[in-house]
Amino acid sequence: GENVEQHPSTLSVQEGDSAVIKCTYSDSASNYFPWYKQELGKRPQLIIDIRSNVGEKKDQRIAVTLNKTAKHFSLHITETQPEDSAVYFCAASAGYGQNFVFGPGTRLSVLP
Amino acid sequence: DAGVTQSPTHLIKTRGQQVTLRCSPKSGHDTVSWYQQALGQGPQFIFQYYEEEERQRGNFPDRFSGHQFPNYSSELNVNALLLGDSALYLCASSLDGGPVYNSPLHFGNGTRLTVT
Repeated sequence: GENVEQHPSTLSVQEGDSAVIKCTYSDSASNYFPWYKQELGKRPQLIIDIRSNVGEKKDQRIAVTLNKTAKHFSLHITETQPEDSAVYFCAASAGYGQNFVFGPGTRLSVLP
Repeated sequence: DAGVTQSPTHLIKTRGQQVTLRCSPKSGHDTVSWYQQALGQGPQFIFQYYEEEERQRGNFPDRFSGHQFPNYSSELNVNALLLGDSALYLCASSLDGGPVYNSPLHFGNGTRLTVT
């Protein structure tokens, strides 16, 4: 089955700097890759997603890149703000039945 | 437009007991998935319901069972509770997109289950 790895497990950046979180997946059939942000005690919320027919997607300060050949995808946050502090999860899904496999998470701390 | 709602928010049970968790999907969604999230870990897939049937199941024992009702709401039942079942149980809804198209999951706030 699918296996998703995520690095780093923790990340601290200064406010205004960029943050990058990387994920790898094992199942070449995976074709949908969402990223979720989970603040302490709250639900995971979708922040951006990318499908396998696209190499990059951007939404304001957040971007995601996908390399299907290498089976990895990355989340890029620019101009980080304290409210970006949270746990970020990547996930992969191969389609029908939408069984999403999540990475173990990255705890991002943005220091003022 | 209400999002995914779950009840109860917190639950404390004793080892060996049984528990039922409930979920109402986001308006317009027809698919409900359940995930278990242990502290400090990513969500783990339990199972998914579509058209009132279990469509796919993760690596969880038969003690975990579920149901989906005609109004798309869903229940998760766990029998013979173990200490290791203590976790945040997340319900996620989505709109089925067929064999090829994946729809994003919309999560509820979860039910925090503590087994003592």
